[in-house]
Amino acid sequence: DAKTTQPTSMDCAEGRAANLPCNHSTISGNEYVYWYRQIHSQGPQYIIHGLKNNETNEMASLIITEDRKSSTLILPHATLRDTAVYYCIVRVANTGNQFYFGTGTSLTVIP
Amino acid sequence: DTGVSQNPRHKITKRGQNVTFRCDPISEHNRLYWYRQTLGQGPEFLTYFQNEAQLEKSRLLSDRFSAERPKGSFSTLEIQRTEQGDSAMYLCASSLAVGSYEQYFGPGTRLTVT
Repeated sequence: DAKTTQPTSMDCAEGRAANLPCNHSTISGNEYVYWYRQIHSQGPQYIIHGLKNNETNEMASLIITEDRKSSTLILPHATLRDTAVYYCIVRVANTGNQFYFGTGTSLTVIP
Repeated sequence: DTGVSQNPRHKITKRGQNVTFRCDPISEHNRLYWYRQTLGQGPEFLTYFQNEAQLEKSRLLSDRFSAERPKGSFSTLEIQRTEQGDSAMYLCASSLAVGSYEQYFGPGTRLTVT
């Protein structure tokens, strides 16, 4: 599975959009981009995943560049409850085994 | 609650004791995963099951660790002769074996070895 690079930490003002970048320059054609987050002392929570096209669900939007070498997770209106560590992971979807989490981005939403 | 559950949520034990953790996955999920997480790090894969078969084990899973999923439903993770380095959060996740395989995590069991 390809490796990812994320900033160690970011701040975002409450009510603003939080844009979390992820670089995955060695991604293969059959690897998906997954995003998880982990709120302090809880298990990771699935947010969204995508292959090529941009994706949106009730939690977030995922924007994948045309060359697929990077992506951005967008939380459209950040709240204090979005303060968490966000992990960007790439993986071949149908292998179905482990995720490699890395150290993620610690997002702090500021009142 | 139809999510992944783990018990106990916290466990404090003395070095050298054995501990066992339990994970109950989402009922229709046939894949079950165990991860370990230490402070400041992301979760690290330990092992996973499809139904009752243990399909992969990480080299992190030393001989003192054993996991079972006897009936393809709940799973247990046992650590024998605990060491202080075993102190961590132990996370369980489950997924379907089709589609995009996103994993759903439980709240974890926090182990402290004194």
